[in-house]
Amino acid sequence: AQSVTQPDIHITVSEGASLELRCNYSYGATPYLFWYVQSPGQGLQLLLKYFSGDTLVQGIKGFEAEFKRSQSSFNLRKPSVHWSDAAEYFCAVDPIKAAGNKLTFGGGTRVLVKP
Amino acid sequence: EPEVTQTPSHQVTQMGQEVILRCVPISNHLYFYWYRQILGQKVEFLVSFYNNEISEKSEIFDDQFSVERPDGSNFTLKIRSTKLEDSAMYFCASSEVPDPDTQYFGPGTRLTVL
Repeated sequence: AQSVTQPDIHITVSEGASLELRCNYSYGATPYLFWYVQSPGQGLQLLLKYFSGDTLVQGIKGFEAEFKRSQSSFNLRKPSVHWSDAAEYFCAVDPIKAAGNKLTFGGGTRVLVKP
Repeated sequence: EPEVTQTPSHQVTQMGQEVILRCVPISNHLYFYWYRQILGQKVEFLVSFYNNEISEKSEIFDDQFSVERPDGSNFTLKIRSTKLEDSAMYFCASSEVPDPDTQYFGPGTRLTVL
């Protein structure tokens, strides 16, 4: 079945440590790929996106993501986490890749940052 | 930086009442969307809207839901007769013509149906 999966529901990381959030998708063709962040009480903020080209994508707030076709993955990384990165992170896909098409979201990964 | 705004931030209503959730998309965006997130569940697509008509809607978007762009700036979601299970966070999003695949989300309206 077509889906987008975030295997980790919760991740706890120490401030200053690196972070990697996993996202896997199951579609016949590579969809457009997105990462959004939802801070407490806030809406969904776009971190980065991948449509085509360079498989390593840079985003805002020091985040990057790597598209790996062979693994059907689009994992999000940050080399050094700050306390303000505590939030919920959502991977989303657009498999149709047409204007105005819907996004399908993963279940989210909640990141806790320890001092 | 331009952003999508939504009002109210929190709406409490009685079951069976009508509610209207309001959104002001980013100016010059022409694609509009509504999503919802029931507590503890995934963000789900409800409807997309372009050129004054619905482009796509999900199974959730049944006859009790409607959308409207009443003027040049607002985009509304109406729920005609609310049910307990409509309690959720409702997000509005918009995207622009040059990059219609990148959606920008508002802060959401938390709807509580009692």
